[in-house]
Order: sequence, then C-alpha cells, then structure tokens
Amino acid sequence: DTGVSQDPRHKITKRGQNVTFRCDPISEHNRLYWYRQTLGQGPEFLTYFQNEAQLEKSRLLSDRFSAERPKGSFSTLEIQRTEQGDSAMYLCASSLWGYTGNTIYFGEGSWLTVV
Amino acid sequence: AQRVTQPEKLLSVFKGAPVELKCNYSYSGSPELFWYVQYSRQRLQLLLRHISRESIKGFTADLNKGETSFHLKKPFAQEEDSAMYYCALSGYGGGADGLTFGKGTHLIIQP
Repeated sequence: DTGVSQDPRHKITKRGQNVTFRCDPISEHNRLYWYRQTLGQGPEFLTYFQNEAQLEKSRLLSDRFSAERPKGSFSTLEIQRTEQGDSAMYLCASSLWGYTGNTIYFGEGSWLTVV
Repeated sequence: AQRVTQPEKLLSVFKGAPVELKCNYSYSGSPELFWYVQYSRQRLQLLLRHISRESIKGFTADLNKGETSFHLKKPFAQEEDSAMYYCALSGYGGGADGLTFGKGTHLIIQP
C-alpha cells in the first residue's frame, strides 16, 4: 500500500502524558496536512506543511501541540500534557500541490484516547 | 469565515431510489467544493470535486452559487453506497488553507 500511513493506529494514554504520532505521506507529495476528528463531527483542519515549512496553523492547535516535518518527508504531531478533550482521531493527509487537481489523500488516522 | 452545513445526520433510502445529500456553504470568495466518502473501516477518500464536473460511481454534484449549495445526487441508490459522506470547501485553489468539512451525513441504503 503506497498511500498515506500513520502510526500508531491506536493510542491510549493517561492524562498528563505526552504522545507523538507519525505520518508518512505519499512519496513526493509536497503538502502534508493534519486534521482532528471527534465523534459526530467532520475533520477539522489543524495545520499543514509545504515541504518542510509549516505554513498555517489553526487556532485549534494550542501551544501543547507541535508538528514538524524536518526533511519535507514524514511528519510528527506531538501533544504534550494530554487532556481528556484531546481524545480524537488524528488524520494526516498529503497532496501534490502545484499540479492540476491537488487531490488530498487521507491516511487511516490515529485514534487517541486519554484516560 | 467559511462554513459547510450538512443538515442531515442520517439519510436512509431504499435500493433503487434516488439519493440527494444536501450541502450548503458559506464563503465570501470563490470556493472549491468537494465530496469525500468514508466506507466502513476505510479511510476518507475523495468522491468528486466541482471543478472536474465528473460523475463518480453514478454520483454527481452541481455547484449552485446563487443558493450556495453543492448537493450530491444519484438517481438509483445501490447497497454499496452506504457510507459516511462529507462535503468540504477550500477557500483557495489547492487547499492552501486546508479543507473545511461539514459534519457528515450517514447514508444507509436499505435492501
């Protein structure tokens, strides 16, 4: 499968702990996005990268959240001092911007449960 | 601010019946509209985008700027169409500032 992959697929953590999610985009895709999805809601945009540059962050991304894409390939999303309200599905997506279409492809997501 | 509204959380129709999933949007500029679908235990995937004006799996959607709508339609529903459907909006070409999604409509096709 050469699609967007995310790891881990599921994570249960205690409140106050730090968690990190990894995303491997489709090879050669220059844009990488992070979304969050809670039950009964559609995905909500968090942030995106163009190559290694983080170009936009949503107001949903509090200072406990940090995302990186150090070499313009894979990305990590870290949540520090997790809270129960952080429990959600974290979706990664990628696209090849600059060409006709720019279809955004999603990964299967990483489920986070904070207990 | 941009917003996408899908008024129906759940829509149940019989196989062979027409389907219409409603989507209304709010955006001050010229948006790009999409429909994404998520089948059970599968990832979110693009179904269609308004600029392509194509029909995928028998589904079509027309952007109506006057009514700010982008309803998804299919003349004859099939059981395999059962899924979650999300309408999404991008404020700039290519999703520069990310997609804004509606809350989704769960479509159930009854045999």
